[in-house]
Amino acid sequence: SAVISQKPSRDICQRGTSLTIQCQVDSQVTMMFWYRQQPGQSLTLIATANQGSEATYESGFVIDKFPISRPNLTFSTLTVSNMSPEDSSIYLCSVETASSYEQYFGPGTRLTVT
Amino acid sequence: GQQVMQIPQYQHVQEGEDFTTYCNSSTTLSNIQWYKQRPGGHPVFLIQLVKSGEVKKQKRLTFQFGEAKKNSSLHITATQTTDVGTYFCAGPLPNDYKLSFGAGTTVTVRA
Repeated sequence: SAVISQKPSRDICQRGTSLTIQCQVDSQVTMMFWYRQQPGQSLTLIATANQGSEATYESGFVIDKFPISRPNLTFSTLTVSNMSPEDSSIYLCSVETASSYEQYFGPGTRLTVT
Repeated sequence: GQQVMQIPQYQHVQEGEDFTTYCNSSTTLSNIQWYKQRPGGHPVFLIQLVKSGEVKKQKRLTFQFGEAKKNSSLHITATQTTDVGTYFCAGPLPNDYKLSFGAGTTVTVRA
């Protein structure tokens, strides 16, 4: 397994601003993912954070809106840019360890955009 | 759209009763995973099934993977208040490493 921390745990932001969410893992991992979870909904994959190269985005998500960095095998950031109330959600990072396919999630960042 | 379908969406259970949640895929899955998310929490990995017909138990939880590897179930016996939460199944997309999560079954327990 892996221990994952996320910062901030929650934030209230004004529309038009940007927020950067950090994800830190206690061990080196190959795969890191960013998800969005609307209240009462399932998990939607935003992108796969690739170390040393551009993130791989899912349909409906673009780099200009959700730029992602992954400078090393233990850290990644997700920025939610030019926020609108529709971006209010929980943002979760997860990792997949090299030995198995299961994913381990960070505690999430609860974002409210006013 | 979602590859993995999950039913029911909600399950209201009397404490001490049993219930089952089901997961179905349109394609054969290499594996199926189950996660639990407590209210206000994040998804926590429970188990992974890989083999056709596989059955695994964790105390009062029994997980099954169908013979065709297209469906799975989670059966909980003697439900307790600690079982409250949303249970998600997830399977990898075809020829991909990414997971497709089911819609989840949200369980509430009446004491």
